[in-house]
Amino acid sequence: GAVVSQHPSWVICKSGTSVKIECRSLDFQATTMFWYRQFPKQSLMLMATSNEGSKATYEQGVEKDKFLINHASLTLSTLTVTSAHPEDSSFYICSARSPETQYFGPGTRLLVL
Amino acid sequence: QKEVEQDPGPLSVPEGAIVSLNCTYSNSAFQYFMWYRQYSRKGPELLMYTYSSGNKEDGRFTAQVDKSSKYISLFIRDSQPSDSATYLCAMSGGYGNKLVFGAGTILRVKS
Repeated sequence: GAVVSQHPSWVICKSGTSVKIECRSLDFQATTMFWYRQFPKQSLMLMATSNEGSKATYEQGVEKDKFLINHASLTLSTLTVTSAHPEDSSFYICSARSPETQYFGPGTRLLVL
Repeated sequence: QKEVEQDPGPLSVPEGAIVSLNCTYSNSAFQYFMWYRQYSRKGPELLMYTYSSGNKEDGRFTAQVDKSSKYISLFIRDSQPSDSATYLCAMSGGYGNKLVFGAGTILRVKS
């Protein structure tokens, strides 16, 4: 299957700082990528849809000023958690849309102290 | 009522058993159906995807879609301890549409 990478895999930061997470599709071009959040023992919650060269579409209840998404190329989308707080601690997962389906990255675990 | 219903389990089976995982859904517009496997603290890994109704087989895995009953299944033959994970069903109404996920079923295969 297709390969999607995320960086970093694990990040700890202080409250009030910003954290950037990168999502790359390594062997195919993805005009659309998705960002999810997953809490322990729960399913994935879609946060936003990222389209190359245009503004992201955010799901209801997701603060677009807090979770900044940039999809500058066909292989890279970034999620920036601005002014992070402990309640933003979570597992963030991206996916890239291929012609057949979606392939997911390995996830980024964020811990805000 | 959720759009996609999936029994969260856990489902515990002995090694070598045939495992049956299922999801039901309510939206008749769904056409693309997927099964993902997720290990603890990892991203979901695509196992199978199917368009519309029918069966699809890949190694020890078989996916079935019955659109008339709004019911999809994943069968795992000769289950192994390494199959222990959470299995997520997902579906969408069209190409590029966002996925709607089931809650995930925790599977434990005991050696």
